[in-house]
Amino acid sequence: EIVLTQSPGTLSLSPGERATLSCRASQSVSSSYLAWYQQKPGQAPRLVIYTAINRATGIPDRFSGSGSGTDFTLTISRLEPDDFAVYYCHQYGSSPRTFGQGTKVEVK
Amino acid sequence: QVHLLQSGAEVKKPGASVKVSCKVSGYTLSELAIHWVRQAPGKGLEWMGGFDPEEGETIYAQKFRGRLTLTEDTSTDTAYMELRWLRSEDTALYYCTTVNQWLAPFFDYWGQGTLVTASS
Repeated sequence: EIVLTQSPGTLSLSPGERATLSCRASQSVSSSYLAWYQQKPGQAPRLVIYTAINRATGIPDRFSGSGSGTDFTLTISRLEPDDFAVYYCHQYGSSPRTFGQGTKVEVK
Repeated sequence: QVHLLQSGAEVKKPGASVKVSCKVSGYTLSELAIHWVRQAPGKGLEWMGGFDPEEGETIYAQKFRGRLTLTEDTSTDTAYMELRWLRSEDTALYYCTTVNQWLAPFFDYWGQGTLVTASS
């Protein structure tokens, strides 16, 4: 099983600042099958990035994904009020599928 | 556009079973691969199992094998998740989600979630 470790656990930033979220895998993620999801309280997860670098439909271009192998990053170039949420990485290249424990992006 | 509508909240006693439904619209169930993910209160996401189109069978996370059964009724486009011998640790929000069939097998659409509470 691939273990995904996200860091930091909590990111305290102000609107307009840059957010950098990390997801490290215990072994290489096949085909860079790594996704990022945004989740707000009381809502289902929402796809942000798939296959490491591709923005999902409707996701603004201030969100970008990078990485391959075991190290992946989600960057939000300039935080908007709507971006404060919990973000999870998810690998779907190997069974069982696994999720990271989440990074909370909160208002400083 | 796929829409997933899940059944309502359930309260069960430890040792009982629960069956949650996930009604598909926008596509037929046979065109989709449904998986289930759960989230304990204040915790992260946990994959439970789902249909693997490449294998042509339903696969389960090891921790749920023997307690979890995922089924589908294509006549009503409804998927079901049944979890048996509930424990208090099974208290969680249960989501159905679809695997993208065209780009890569990520989860794209999600149901609204069904809260299952296991408590005496």
